Amino acid sequence: KQEVTQIPAALSVPEGENLVLNCSFTDSAIYNLQWFRQDPGKGLTSLLLIQSSQREQTSGRLNASLDKSSGRSTLYIAASQPGDSATYLCAGYTGANSKLTFGKGITLSVRP
Amino acid sequence: ETGVTQSPTHLIKTRGQQVTLRCSSQSGHNTVSWYQQALGQGPQFIFQYYREEENGRGNFPPRFSGLQFPNYSSELNVNALELDDSALYLCASSLAVGPDTQYFGPGTRLTVL
Repeated sequence: KQEVTQIPAALSVPEGENLVLNCSFTDSAIYNLQWFRQDPGKGLTSLLLIQSSQREQTSGRLNASLDKSSGRSTLYIAASQPGDSATYLCAGYTGANSKLTFGKGITLSVRP
Repeated sequence: ETGVTQSPTHLIKTRGQQVTLRCSSQSGHNTVSWYQQALGQGPQFIFQYYREEENGRGNFPPRFSGLQFPNYSSELNVNALELDDSALYLCASSLAVGPDTQYFGPGTRLTVL
């Protein structure tokens, strides 16, 4: 059974700082890993998807990596801005029941 | 291109009632998945529909049921509502079954009193 863990639950950083959000998963038989952003009370916005054959994906100031052997993924945010404040969730797809298994998310606060 | 839409936005029901939530897939997407997100938790998979057939189910009781229509829109029905059913219900669509990017709608906030 796939379990996804995101630690810490919350993070506060000053504007301009580069930061890394961590995600760990227990089942290395993972097809892909997806990072999402969720604003309070809203739905999920897909940020990046990394296929199992890839090691990283980049979009603007975001870079996500995937290391299946260690069961870890990281989301790197460069030059953080107050608008980046949100909850970031990672989710792994293992093919079982065609579902995404989510972590609980990391709530990021970027202070002006 | 229209994204995933869900209705209603908010809903308040009392324990024991029944509720129907609706989802319209992104254009061209034939696969719809439903998730339940309790406050402070990550979304939990309820079930997935592909071409009008259920294609996988999470650990939810049978009182959670669904439908997918020929135009790939979908409904989530919950019978005999319980207080713990209070959550944000998210619908996600994807181009096909399998490890494809899932695009989520804004969700329906259900409150059971």
